[in-house]
Amino acid sequence: GENVEQHPSTLSVQEGDSAVIKCTYSDSASNYFPWYKQELGKRPQLIIDIRSNVGEKKDQRIAVTLNKTAKHFSLHITETQPEDSAVYFCAASWGNMLTFGGGTRLMVKP
Amino acid sequence: NAGVTQTPKFQVLKTGQSMTLQCAQDMNHEYMSWYRQDPGMGLRLIHYSVGAGITDQGEVPNGYNVSRSTTEDFPLRLLSAAPSQTSVYFCASSYGIGGPNTEAFFGQGTRLTVV
Repeated sequence: GENVEQHPSTLSVQEGDSAVIKCTYSDSASNYFPWYKQELGKRPQLIIDIRSNVGEKKDQRIAVTLNKTAKHFSLHITETQPEDSAVYFCAASWGNMLTFGGGTRLMVKP
Repeated sequence: NAGVTQTPKFQVLKTGQSMTLQCAQDMNHEYMSWYRQDPGMGLRLIHYSVGAGITDQGEVPNGYNVSRSTTEDFPLRLLSAAPSQTSVYFCASSYGIGGPNTEAFFGQGTRLTVV
């Protein structure tokens, strides 16, 4: 099956700085890579996703890049704000299953 | 449009008891799944279903059963609760996996404690 590793497990940045979270996956057949944000006590919600036929995707302050050869993908958040503080999960689809990374707790200090 | 609704929100069980976590969606999604969330381990897939009458095992299926008699409902049964099943459980639904418009929508979660 698929295995997804996510780093770092915690990340602390100053407001206005950029944050980068990286994930690697094991199965080259994986073709869909979503990112979810989970605020404390809330449900995970999709913030951006990318498919294997695309190398980069942007949505305002967030972007995701995918390197299929190296089997890794990254989430980039620019101009971080306190409301970006949350746990972020990457995931990779394999067949009919979605496998998640272990999560990154992002703390944005005002 | 309520989205994905899970009940109950909180539950305490004694070891050996059984219970059913309910999940319902009103978005006409074919794909439904159950995850458990433990600290530092992300979301791990327990069981999933690609449509009514079809279910399959995920990464951590032992100790859990599911059924999918309708498109809307996907209950998760704990047969004989164990302390290792203490976790937060999330149900999710989507049109599918990986294709267009396949965002997974999660329920609000069930916090289960087994004592």
